[in-house]
Amino acid sequence: GAVVSQHPSRVICKSGTSVKIECRSLDFQATTMFWYRQFPKQSLMLMATSNEGSKATYEQGVEKDKFLINHASLTLSTLTVTSAHPEDSSFYICSASSDREGQLFFGSGTQLSVL
Amino acid sequence: DQQVKQNSPSLSVQEGRISILNCDYTNSMFDYFLWYKKYPAEGPTFLISISSIKDKNEDGRFTVFLNKSAKHLSLHIVPSQPGDSAVYFCAASALGRKALIFGKGTTLSVSS
Repeated sequence: GAVVSQHPSRVICKSGTSVKIECRSLDFQATTMFWYRQFPKQSLMLMATSNEGSKATYEQGVEKDKFLINHASLTLSTLTVTSAHPEDSSFYICSASSDREGQLFFGSGTQLSVL
Repeated sequence: DQQVKQNSPSLSVQEGRISILNCDYTNSMFDYFLWYKKYPAEGPTFLISISSIKDKNEDGRFTVFLNKSAKHLSLHIVPSQPGDSAVYFCAASALGRKALIFGKGTTLSVSS
């Protein structure tokens, strides 16, 4: 099946610093990638839709200036959490769609801890 | 307002028995439903899906049933195995929108 690689898997940073998370589709081209966030015991919440070559579409309540998304190629999307604060600590997961309609393949996730 | 609801946060089943995980949705525009399995600190893994034009889809030990009139779907695992212990998420998408809406998940524990 299709593979989506995400790294780092875990990052600990100081409050006020920025953190970049990478998401790559390894064996297929993904014109669209999605970024989700999951808080403990909660569902995965869609943060934004990343479109190759254009601006990302953010869900309501997600600050686009805080969560910068870049989809520079058909196989790579990045999420940068700028000026991270402890409340940004969460599990961030990317996903990409293959040709099969509706089926998303997920990265392994990034556990962000902001001290 | 949650569009996809998994009202049972946990389920415990004995090995060999059937596991039934339930999911309800409110958005009538949803036309594609999926189940994902997730282990701690990992991304979800696709299990099985169903289109709204069907009412049943089967793949090995996993069967998904869809009742459109009740806006309800369920995942049946038969027979359940200890390795099935994980969090199961129900997800839905609407009319070509690839982004998924997830439920909160149900933690399945299968004891041997």
